[in-house]
Parts: sequence; structure tokens; C-alpha cells
Amino acid sequence: EVQLVETGGGLIQPGGSLRLSCAASGFTVSSNYMSWVRQAPGKGLEWVSVIYSGGSTYYADSVKGRFTISRDNSKNTLYLQMNSLRAEDTAVYYCARGRPFDLWGRGTLVTVSS
Amino acid sequence: SYVLTQPPSVSVAPGKTARITCGGNNIGSKSVHWYQQKPGQAPVLVIYYDSDRPSGIPERFSGSNSGNTATLTISRVEAGDEADYYCQVWDSSSDHPVVFGGGTKLTVL
Repeated sequence: EVQLVETGGGLIQPGGSLRLSCAASGFTVSSNYMSWVRQAPGKGLEWVSVIYSGGSTYYADSVKGRFTISRDNSKNTLYLQMNSLRAEDTAVYYCARGRPFDLWGRGTLVTVSS
Repeated sequence: SYVLTQPPSVSVAPGKTARITCGGNNIGSKSVHWYQQKPGQAPVLVIYYDSDRPSGIPERFSGSNSGNTATLTISRVEAGDEADYYCQVWDSSSDHPVVFGGGTKLTVL
């Protein structure tokens, strides 16, 4: 079955770090554009980061310098390392495949609060 | 960076036609994608490259794009179409290649 499964969310204090994982099955992560998209409670979709099949990476200004996108080809998994977390990073984080986004995971909730 | 503007809400009676717009500077020169998101669920692609439908999406969903406005049209609206809809473009020449519109809440009266 072709699917994406995100894990790693949870409650974290401001200033803390968290790593999200997105395990893919049924296709190869490294052959696709892979992105992270987040949605704050009651808000719209916000693009966070993308890694191209060639390895280039891009970030939204709101996370640049704090978040890092990467992938492990041997595990067919996408990651998002999140450092210096802020309250405004609280959101459901989705990973998504392709251009356009033709496959989404169910999301993982990150709550940044003291 | 590029900005996409959507109306916050659109209301339509069952069986009628809903049109959700997405405005952007010369958006007609870009490819627009549309996503449907129901409460508590992940988004689903409903229209890609302006007017193509993924398999499994009803023919009632269609799209167009010209000038400064892209439009998602839903014909013969059903109660199950009530959801948030987002437009999105890719701008590969930018350091911020992915842009979403703010989303439109479609209410079926």
C-alpha cells in the first residue's frame, strides 16, 4: 500500500527540539519531491520545507535556520529536525509527496508550551 | 514572495454550482493545484495543473485559470462537498517554491 506515516510529535517546551519522521511505503522517497506542511489549530495550510529528488532543500522564512529537512534512503524515511521551538510552531505537521502533493500522511501534532 | 488570495467563505445550496476563486498576480502563467480538507482529515488533491482531476475525484469538480484568477468549480454540490478548499502553486524559480492560498470554507446550505 502506498502511504506516508508521520511520527514524533508531542508536547515540548519552548526552546526545545523535536525530530519528526515520515515513513513511506509503496514508493521511493528519494525519487520524489517531499515536503512538510503544517496547520496551526483553526488555521490554514502553511508550507514548511521541501527536499527535491536531487537533494536541494528550501524552507519557509518562519522556520529557516531552525528546522532541517532530510531523508534516509536506506529507511525510505523523511525527517524534519526542529530546534529552538516556539509557541507559534504548534501545529499538525503533515508530510506530502510530489509536485503537486498527491499523497499526504495523516499528520502528527506538535504542541510547544510550558 | 508570491501571494494567493481566496475568499474566506462560500455558501451554496445543494444541487447548485459553487465557484471558489484564487487570485494572484498573473496566476494564469502558473500551474494551480486545489486541495479539499474535511475536519480532522488530511488534505486531498482534487484538481492539479489547473484543470486535471486525479482518479477517484468526481467529474463535478473542475478548474480553470486565466489572467489573475484561478477558479475551482463544483457542480451539483452535495452535502459531502462541505470542506475547506486551498489553492496552491509551485514557483521553482523562488527560494520559497510552495505557496498556499488562505483557504475557503465551503458551506452547503
